[in-house]
Amino acid sequence: DVKVTQSSRYLVKRTGEKVFLECVQDMDHENMFWYRQDPGLGLRLIYFSYDVKMKEKGDIPEGYSVSREKKERFSLILESASTNQTSMYLCAILLGTGGGYTFGSGTRLTVV
Amino acid sequence: GENVEQHPSTLSVQEGDSAVIKCTYSDSASNYFPWYKQELGKRPQLIIDIRSNVGEKKDQRIAVTLNKTAKHFSLHITETQPEDSAVYFCAAHNFNKFYFGSGTKLNVKP
Repeated sequence: DVKVTQSSRYLVKRTGEKVFLECVQDMDHENMFWYRQDPGLGLRLIYFSYDVKMKEKGDIPEGYSVSREKKERFSLILESASTNQTSMYLCAILLGTGGGYTFGSGTRLTVV
Repeated sequence: GENVEQHPSTLSVQEGDSAVIKCTYSDSASNYFPWYKQELGKRPQLIIDIRSNVGEKKDQRIAVTLNKTAKHFSLHITETQPEDSAVYFCAAHNFNKFYFGSGTKLNVKP
């Protein structure tokens, strides 16, 4: 089974800091996604990437950017963290066409 | 874009009863509908899925139905057990993206 690893389980950052969230897969899947999860709002797509150096905006990209320099690593960047970015962040990879997602274990980010 | 609505937001049932969670979607181009279960503090896990060319799929105590005409699909859990307590998300797949419902918190009372 594919493994999706998010480097940090919990993070506390200060307002205005630049924050990097890392996601690494151990196979060769092309499509990787970043979601944030908030109570009552479900999972909302921030950005996704379908190949190295390729990226597409999701539904809520404002305040975020991404980087995919290598196929196995997809990074989410908060350019200047704000308190409304306090959330659970989930990375996911697509298991082939119509194959569902495998999710990482999530990073709970608190911005103070 | 696609819009997925999920109801109810919370559901409480007695152990052994059935639970039904319903989702609607807006874009007829959506063609794949997975359901995820997320236990407290854990990542969402795929539990069952259905494709647009199938009306019903069953896996032991879990079943999913799809009505393409009405654009809705439902998750059915029979003989619920306390370990079924979790948040359940539906999703619709459309142009290489998934659109998620807002989640249903299921509580199975022993």
